Amino acid sequence: EDQVTQSPEALRLQEGESSSLNCSYTVSGLRGLFWYRQDPGKGPEFLFTLYSAGEEKEKERLKATLTKKESFLHITAPKPEDSATYLCAVFSNDYKLSFGAGTTVTVRA
Amino acid sequence: ETGVTQTPRHLVMGMTNKKSLKCEQHLGHNAMYWYKQSAKKPLELMFVYSLEERVENNSVPSRFSPECPNSSHLFLHLHTLQPEDSALYLCASSPRGDTEAFFGQGTRLTVV
Repeated sequence: EDQVTQSPEALRLQEGESSSLNCSYTVSGLRGLFWYRQDPGKGPEFLFTLYSAGEEKEKERLKATLTKKESFLHITAPKPEDSATYLCAVFSNDYKLSFGAGTTVTVRA
Repeated sequence: ETGVTQTPRHLVMGMTNKKSLKCEQHLGHNAMYWYKQSAKKPLELMFVYSLEERVENNSVPSRFSPECPNSSHLFLHLHTLQPEDSALYLCASSPRGDTEAFFGQGTRLTVV
């Protein structure tokens, strides 16, 4: 059974304090890994797709990387507006999409 | 704005009521999804439609009934729900069944 585990569950950062979120996965062949951002009471907002180990994607202060067993979402010099829950999802070769429980990031000014 | 619109945004219903959630996308996508999101739990995939044909039903109770009349619209018909069905119901669409999905803002459902 496909499994996606995100850590930590919650992360509190000071503004400007860089950190990383982890998404580890076990799937029957990876077709793609997705990162989303979700604000309270709203739907997830698509951030990145990663397809193969070694791939990296960047958007503003966010950078996503992928290895054969995990993905990291690096937040560089975060600002309060980066506060949100970040979700990881993996799409497997048997066309199953599985989500992790998310990491809730709080950035204090 | 992702191009996926859900209505209503909030819904309170009694256990004997019948209601429907609506989802609309004008992105030209071929796949549409219903997800359930409960507090502190991962998103649960409920149904997948690809080219208007249901391709996945993840052991969802029969009190939830999906309908996809065309590639732009998706409904979730609700009847005789239980309080534990209270959650955020999210609709999503994707160009194909194996690409990133774009989500609507969700319907916050409360069953009383």
